[in-house]
Order: sequence, then C-alpha cells, then structure tokens
Amino acid sequence: GAVVSQHPSRVICKSGTSVKIECRSLDFQATTMFWYRQFPKQSLMLMATSNEGSKATYEQGVEKDKFLINHASLTLSTLTVTSAHPEDSSFYICSARDLGGAGGPDTQYFGPGTRLTVL
Amino acid sequence: LAKTTQPISMDSYEGQEVNITCSHNNIATNDYITWYQQFPSQGPRFIIQGYKTKVTNEVASLFIPADRKSSTLSLPRVSLSDTAVYYCLVGVDTGFQKLVFGTGTRLLVSP
Repeated sequence: GAVVSQHPSRVICKSGTSVKIECRSLDFQATTMFWYRQFPKQSLMLMATSNEGSKATYEQGVEKDKFLINHASLTLSTLTVTSAHPEDSSFYICSARDLGGAGGPDTQYFGPGTRLTVL
Repeated sequence: LAKTTQPISMDSYEGQEVNITCSHNNIATNDYITWYQQFPSQGPRFIIQGYKTKVTNEVASLFIPADRKSSTLSLPRVSLSDTAVYYCLVGVDTGFQKLVFGTGTRLLVSP
C-alpha cells in the first residue's frame, strides 16, 4: 500500500514556541491531505483538509491562525502549531488521499503520527 | 457523511475468529466501506475496503449484505498482536472525501 511519513515522530517544546510537523506521501501524489488530532483513549478528530495549491479548509472549532497548514507540493503538507501551549499537547496524525485508478475507489493512508508535548 | 456505530470493545482469545460488525444505516449509493486498525501511538493502518458482498485479502474479510446498512470485519485466527482499535468508516469514492472517525472497537486478544 501507499506510504505516508511524518516528521518529527515526537517533539517537546516550551510554551509559546511554534512547532512545524511535516507530512509526506512517499510513493504517490496527494492533492488532498488531512490533519487529525487524537487525545489519549479518544478517537481521531479531523482538524483540517489540506489542498495542494490552495488554502486549507478547517473544521469548526479549529483556529486557523493557530494551526497553519501549507500544502506546497503534491507530496508535502505541513502543520505549524503557533504559540503552542500545554493544552495543544496531543498526537497529530496526517493522512493522504491516494486516488483510485482504473475506476477503483480512492483510499486514505495515514502517517505514523507526531507526539507533541508542550511544557 | 454516513454515521457508523460499532461495539466499543470486544474480547477474544488467540486462535479464535473475531467478527466486528458496524452499522451504517445512512450509507449513500456511492459510499465505500473502509476498515482501519490502530495501535497505541501509531497512525491508523488500512485493512480492507469494499462496496458490496464479500472482499477478502491476506489480513481479513469484509462481509457486506445486500442492503449495505451494515458490514462485518472478520479476522481469522487472531493473535495477541491483533489487539488494537478497529475503525469502520464510510465515504464517497470520488471527489472530496472527508473521513469522520467514530469511537472504534477496542479488541483485546488474550492468551
């Protein structure tokens, strides 16, 4: 199956600093990528949809000025958590949509996740 | 977006077959059904996807009745390493596809 990578896998930062997380589709091009957040023992919550070459679409309740998303190429999307605070500590996961070929369905493949801890 | 309902948790023993059923009463004509597996501190892993009847791969089988209002993920002869959370999702096959995760089913496999 398709492979999606994330970097870094874990990051610890001080309150007030900004953190950038990269999401890459390694063996396919992804015009659409998604960013999720997951708190312990909870399900994944969609934060935003990242579209190559255009502005991201944010879910209700997600601050676009705090979670900056850039999808500059067909294989890379970045999420920047600006002025991070302890409540932003979470597990951030990206996914990339692999368009189905030959009439098949498209499928989302997920990255391994990034554990963010804000002190 | 079709809402899905799954059991919150299931218990099994090594070597048994496990069937996890998902209800999706409002599934649309174009929706496919996809199952993911997630281990702690890892991203979800694609298991299987189907539209109708039965789909089988090296990992699992997916059974979908004719009305498509439910689906069943079947894991043959589970092992301890199958302990994970399993998510059932439905979504359109073309165009903008936004997945909404439900609670998932936490499967615990014991020796």
